[in-house]
Amino acid sequence: GENVEQHPSTLSVQEGDSAVIKCTYSDSASNYFPWYKQELGKRPQLIIDIRSNVGEKKDQRIAVTLNKTAKHFSLHITETQPEDSAVYFCAASGSGYALNFGKGTSLLVTP
Amino acid sequence: DVKVTQSSRYLVKRTGEKVFLECVQDMDHENMFWYRQDPGLGLRLIYFSYDVKMKEKGDIPEGYSVSREKKERFSLILESASTNQTSMYLCASRWGGNTGELFFGEGSRLTVL
Repeated sequence: GENVEQHPSTLSVQEGDSAVIKCTYSDSASNYFPWYKQELGKRPQLIIDIRSNVGEKKDQRIAVTLNKTAKHFSLHITETQPEDSAVYFCAASGSGYALNFGKGTSLLVTP
Repeated sequence: DVKVTQSSRYLVKRTGEKVFLECVQDMDHENMFWYRQDPGLGLRLIYFSYDVKMKEKGDIPEGYSVSREKKERFSLILESASTNQTSMYLCASRWGGNTGELFFGEGSRLTVL
């Protein structure tokens, strides 16, 4: 199946700085790339997604970029706030119905 | 609001017991998924179903089976629980196709002694 690699596994930034999380995928047929945020003790929730026919998508302080040639996509969070602290998961959906996740990035935003 | 309900938040079972984890969604979603979440390993796909009575193996199906007799319900079965199946199990559902938001349940934390 699809193999999704995610880096870094932990990330610590100062409040107001930017945070970038990167993912690569293996299946060139993958066409859907969502990002989920999981706060401590809660269920994962979708924060942004991008489809393969789009190179970049933005929603307020978060943005996702996709490079299909290199098979990688990234999450960018600007002006980070303490409430951005959470575990972030990237995922990729290939030709089937499965959605495969990366191992997650634990983001800590310190005031 | 979409609601995905997992029957048990916490379970403690003994090695060799048969374990049923139930998941029910109320949005008429076609696709349903079972993941397990372990520290440092992320969310790993066990099984998924894209229609009633249809199922496909994910990345780690060994030791598990599933049942989807009704559209709203997707059950995960551990035929003979083992200690390495101690984990958090997350059910999710979404509309048909291979895109769109996954809605997760609150999770079932299983401990096998």
